[in-house]
Amino acid sequence: GQQLNQSPQSMFIQEGEDVSMNCTSSSIFNTWLWYKQDPGEGPVLLIALYKAGELTSNGRLTAQFGITRKDSFLNISASIPSDVGIYFCAGQLRGYNQGGKLIFGQGTELSVKP
Amino acid sequence: GAVVSQHPSRVICKSGTSVKIECRSLDFQATTMFWYRQFPKQSLMLMATSNEGSKATYEQGVEKDKFLINHASLTLSTLTVTSAHPEDSSFYICSARDWSSGVNEQFFGPGTRLTVL
Repeated sequence: GQQLNQSPQSMFIQEGEDVSMNCTSSSIFNTWLWYKQDPGEGPVLLIALYKAGELTSNGRLTAQFGITRKDSFLNISASIPSDVGIYFCAGQLRGYNQGGKLIFGQGTELSVKP
Repeated sequence: GAVVSQHPSRVICKSGTSVKIECRSLDFQATTMFWYRQFPKQSLMLMATSNEGSKATYEQGVEKDKFLINHASLTLSTLTVTSAHPEDSSFYICSARDWSSGVNEQFFGPGTRLTVL
């Protein structure tokens, strides 16, 4: 079945640093999504990408939909303490038999540098 | 904005009992809802797709007789974990899709933490 490889698995951030994470897949997706999940809560949508090559920003967050439709990256600029959490990429399937299902990456856990 | 609620937020039960989890779309109608399971430090894994008025579609490896899904109205889907065992302890999250918004976006509930003793 479809799988998304998300990296890095974890990273430490210092306030003010830029952060980058990415997802790759062996399958083509029609939509790429980036979510943030805080402990004990459901994921919250950060950015949705609908077109290959699309570059979209949401405040300090920027994400791109790869040209091949098989990858996406998320950048966070000038990180702040509240950026800590787990970030998930997700690819959405839109085929008739897929019903809009989401396939999630393994997650990137952002923690504050000790 | 679109809000999805789940009830209960936490439940602890004895092995062998059944537990029902509710997922509600509060300010929109959701013809389709999704149920996910998330084990600690892991990703969300789709369990089933719930369509209003019809049978749920289960992902491979998910026992439909153990995880009963009912989507009787456009704002409510329920997941019943029957004869729960400790290995069913997990974080269960639902999402709902608001077709009327014109954006194919899923809104996630806050999750239900199930602990089976």
